[in-house]
Amino acid sequence: AIQMTQSPSSLSASVGDRVTITCRASQGIRNDLGWYQQKPGKAPKLLIYAASRLQNGVPSRFSGSGSGTDFTLTMSSLQPEDFATYYCLQDYSYPLTFGGGTKVEIK
Amino acid sequence: QVQLQESGPGLVKPSETLSLICTVSGGSISGYYWTWIRQPPGKGLEWIGYIYHSGGTNYNPSLRSRVTMSIDTSNNQFSLKLNSVTAADTAVYYCARRITGPEAFDSWGQGTLVTVSS
Repeated sequence: AIQMTQSPSSLSASVGDRVTITCRASQGIRNDLGWYQQKPGKAPKLLIYAASRLQNGVPSRFSGSGSGTDFTLTMSSLQPEDFATYYCLQDYSYPLTFGGGTKVEIK
Repeated sequence: QVQLQESGPGLVKPSETLSLICTVSGGSISGYYWTWIRQPPGKGLEWIGYIYHSGGTNYNPSLRSRVTMSIDTSNNQFSLKLNSVTAADTAVYYCARRITGPEAFDSWGQGTLVTVSS
């Protein structure tokens, strides 16, 4: 199975900060990667698919980039509602695998 | 807009079978990969497997020997059975719709906590 390594596992940031989360795949996955946001007690929500495509209705401050093994999720100006845990997911091969998550907390 | 809702017992005894149903409303069950994902308390997400509307399945090798999925297109439902459960199977279980071309999980149920305990 492809291993997905996310970093950092947690971070503290302030409203208005630019935040970047990275995800590394144990082998090349083309651009078959998604990013999901999860708030406590809620289901994950799709933010980005195909590495860089913004899901309908997701604010444009979210962006994704990368291809092959290295990917990033960037929030250009962190908003209060963005404090959550973020997961990457590789869609390249089965079994599908998630990264371990990055918890974004308020500084 | 499609909505998914999990249902089933919240408590299962060790060695017994966990059974959940996901009901799909507001959209067709045809043409999609219907998926189960779980999340142990305080931990990350694990893909369990999918069932296609035609009945084809693909399971996580780590669970394959214990998992069965089925689909009822007439009632817009699909189900998960996980047998011989242990405490390690305690988790929130989510059903989700997987779209293709490109792939993503675009709709999720709210999740249901299943606790394995005697």
